[in-house]
Amino acid sequence: ILNVEQSPQSLHVQEGDSTNFTCSFPSSNFYALHWYRWETAKSPEALFVMTLNGDEKKKGRISATLNTKEGYSYLYIKGSQPEDSATYLCALWRDDKIIFGKGTRLHILP
Amino acid sequence: ETGVTQTPRHLVMGMTNKKSLKCEQHLGHNAMYWYKQSAKKPLELMFVYNFKEQTENNSVPSRFSPECPNSSHLFLHLHTLQPEDSALYLCASSQSAGEPADTQYFGPGTRLTVL
Repeated sequence: ILNVEQSPQSLHVQEGDSTNFTCSFPSSNFYALHWYRWETAKSPEALFVMTLNGDEKKKGRISATLNTKEGYSYLYIKGSQPEDSATYLCALWRDDKIIFGKGTRLHILP
Repeated sequence: ETGVTQTPRHLVMGMTNKKSLKCEQHLGHNAMYWYKQSAKKPLELMFVYNFKEQTENNSVPSRFSPECPNSSHLFLHLHTLQPEDSALYLCASSQSAGEPADTQYFGPGTRLTVL
């Protein structure tokens, strides 16, 4: 069974603080890892697609790193804002399809 | 807006009803997907269509029947569902299926309740 694990499940962060969370996956036969942001009552929105070991991608205050040899990716948010409140999903490409983790639910406290 | 629309947004149906979910993408993509999100579970892939041909059926019960008349439209026909089928059903599209780095664009989902 292929598991994509995300931790923590839920996270409360004070506005202005920085935070990070993890996506773990089997390291064999790696092709691509995707990060999505999913706000309540909206569509999941693509953040990054990462394909190479050591990749680092950035979009404004959000960045992600990838370690395919040890099977993990980190998502970082710098200076959290209320609009960052969402569920962050990672998804691994495997066997011609995407396998999603359960997500990390991020709450930004004013 | 992601360019993927779904209707209806909410649906309540009895176990003997027949209903359909509709998805439309305005992105010129060739692949479309149905996913199911149940409470406390990850998004589960149900079906994949690539250039209107079904390429994946992820062991989905036959009471769910997909239809893809063209690359822009995808339907999910529902018949004699069970209460445990209550979930959020998401549609997505991508340039083509089978490309690891292709981004999938999601619709907002249909919240289905089966009584």
